[in-house]
Amino acid sequence: NAGVTQTPKFRVLKTGQSMTLLCAQDMNHEYMYWYRQDPGMGLRLIHYSVGEGTTAKGEVPDGYNVSRLKKQNFLLGLESAAPSQTSVYFCASSYAREQYFGPGTRLTVT
Amino acid sequence: RKEVEQDPGPFNVPEGATVAFNCTYSNSASQSFFWYRQDCRKEPKLLMSVYSSGNEDGRFTAQLNRASQYISLLIRDSKLSDSATYLCVVRGGNAGNMLTFGGGTRLMVKP
Repeated sequence: NAGVTQTPKFRVLKTGQSMTLLCAQDMNHEYMYWYRQDPGMGLRLIHYSVGEGTTAKGEVPDGYNVSRLKKQNFLLGLESAAPSQTSVYFCASSYAREQYFGPGTRLTVT
Repeated sequence: RKEVEQDPGPFNVPEGATVAFNCTYSNSASQSFFWYRQDCRKEPKLLMSVYSSGNEDGRFTAQLNRASQYISLLIRDSKLSDSATYLCVVRGGNAGNMLTFGGGTRLMVKP
């Protein structure tokens, strides 16, 4: 099992550009999450999904959109990137108590 | 005030030392508690859950004090491989059923 995978691993965007981050899990988990991690801030929840076709806002949803068309995939979109969105993005999935994280995507917006 | 607060450290300790980290949480409605470990430039991984009765996993002991809203992690006989950032995590409270992460405490174990 690959667990949770994320693509791409690194990306540099210019302000105003758009991009989509892909998260995939092969553990048949219902719950999936997108977090961002900034120095000293801990992980903050952007959006999450409790099942295929459902999404909900987390703590810091502004500037991001998500989709969960297939159970194994959770996409995070940035429509118009801003420097404040420079961060490390982690996807996670869970069945019960434990969340399993992907390796992260390092995004820089210049 | 942050919902989950931790001393960012770093804690610099020699191999073999005992080290303790503390964490406080602000919402008394929080239901579940965890310690996650995060290595440099890697993803977080669950280290252990924390129960009111206290629980131990090898060299690691976790304690929860609900009255004081305080969580602790004790590491005995520190190894070089214990060097990492330890994240205090709470479920429930302001975030509903979601997890809220503290900023992490960095541990560096020296030879």
